[in-house]
Amino acid sequence: AAGVIQSPRHLIKEKRETATLKCYPIPRHDTVYWYQQGPGQDPQFLISFYEKMQSDKGSIPDRFSAQQFSDYHSELNMSSLELGDSALYFCASSEGSQETQYFGPGTRLLVL
Amino acid sequence: GENVEQHPSTLSVQEGDSAVIKCTYSDSASNYFPWYKQELGKRPQLIIDIRSNVGEKKDQRIAVTLNKTAKHFSLHITETQPEDSAVYFCAASEGGGADGLTFGKGTHLIIQP
Repeated sequence: AAGVIQSPRHLIKEKRETATLKCYPIPRHDTVYWYQQGPGQDPQFLISFYEKMQSDKGSIPDRFSAQQFSDYHSELNMSSLELGDSALYFCASSEGSQETQYFGPGTRLLVL
Repeated sequence: GENVEQHPSTLSVQEGDSAVIKCTYSDSASNYFPWYKQELGKRPQLIIDIRSNVGEKKDQRIAVTLNKTAKHFSLHITETQPEDSAVYFCAASEGGGADGLTFGKGTHLIIQP
């Protein structure tokens, strides 16, 4: 079965640079969620979109923004990167706004 | 906001024995409680979930119980196998409006051969 696709899988950036992470949800899924997971920590919810509209907002820094496009894929834009932004970034998708969330393989971001 | 407490942080059991992981939550509006299994460097994988209109749910060796009055839910794994070794996370959300999940801190389950 098709799963959530994330790109790139690995990313290395310098401090103060920008990064864009992409997420392609499971076909027919219209809701996407972004999570950040630091080493040895639990996933922290950042933001979600349902039918291309921002739906819920968590601990997303002001330096980050995201959007969902007409084909339901989503992009997380991260600016002025800091060392502390180094983490695994997961995208999850669901069918409808109240359904089970399925996680993608993640993007590992390293900020040097 | 929601706060989810998870215990224990590490659990070591003999292969074939049962494992129980417990979580409590703070927001009485929460009504969706999934459990995820995560192996090192991999994605969280849903293993079972329960909604507030159900007190117990079972899927083969895995079961989850929910006590809404006590704001408490538990994961039970029977006949544990080496491949059950992983970090397990409980989570909670209101289950509507594309709500993000609030996760517990995780339990590192170790199955001793």
